[in-house]
Amino acid sequence: SAVISQKPSRDICQRGTSLTIQCQVDSQVTMMFWYRQQPGQSLTLIATANQGSEATYESGFVIDKFPISRPNLTFSTLTVSNMSPEDSSIYLCSVRGLDRGTMGETQYFGPGTRLLVL
Amino acid sequence: GQNIDQPTEMTATEGAIVQINCTYQTSGFNGLFWYQQHAGEAPTFLSYNVLDGLEEKGRFSSFLSRSKGYSYLLLKELQMKDSASYLCASMDSNYQLIWGAGTKLIIKP
Repeated sequence: SAVISQKPSRDICQRGTSLTIQCQVDSQVTMMFWYRQQPGQSLTLIATANQGSEATYESGFVIDKFPISRPNLTFSTLTVSNMSPEDSSIYLCSVRGLDRGTMGETQYFGPGTRLLVL
Repeated sequence: GQNIDQPTEMTATEGAIVQINCTYQTSGFNGLFWYQQHAGEAPTFLSYNVLDGLEEKGRFSSFLSRSKGYSYLLLKELQMKDSASYLCASMDSNYQLIWGAGTKLIIKP
């Protein structure tokens, strides 16, 4: 399994500002995933962060709004730019790892960053 | 299109058994995952099925029928701490996880 930490755990931000969320993994991973989960809804994949290349964004998400850095195999950042109240959500960092119980690959999640935009 | 369907909410009694169903339609299939998510927390992995049949893990079991595009999560001897949302996710041919909206399980004493 993978141990993932995120900073900050929560924040309250003003409209128009930007927030950078950090994600640290305890092992080297090729791909890191950034998800958003709005209240009462399922997980939505924002982008996949690959080390050494640009992130791959899902439909509806663009680099200008959600720039991502991936400087090495254990770390990534997601910035939520020019925030509006609609960006209020939980942002989750995720990686794939091996589950020793099933011996299959599964997806592990960081604790999440709870963002409230006023 | 790709789609995951699961009930929005279910209620069960402490000590009882509950079955949460999930149907999926994805482009290709590389396994079906179940996650538990307590309110305000990140999802945690419960089970993974890629072959038909039942996988048992303590009080939790997960079943898969690939021909029917169907899975269920079975929770036995329910405890109050099992109150949570249960997320079903199917992995497609590109190894992307397609997520259901989650089933909120309410346990009553």
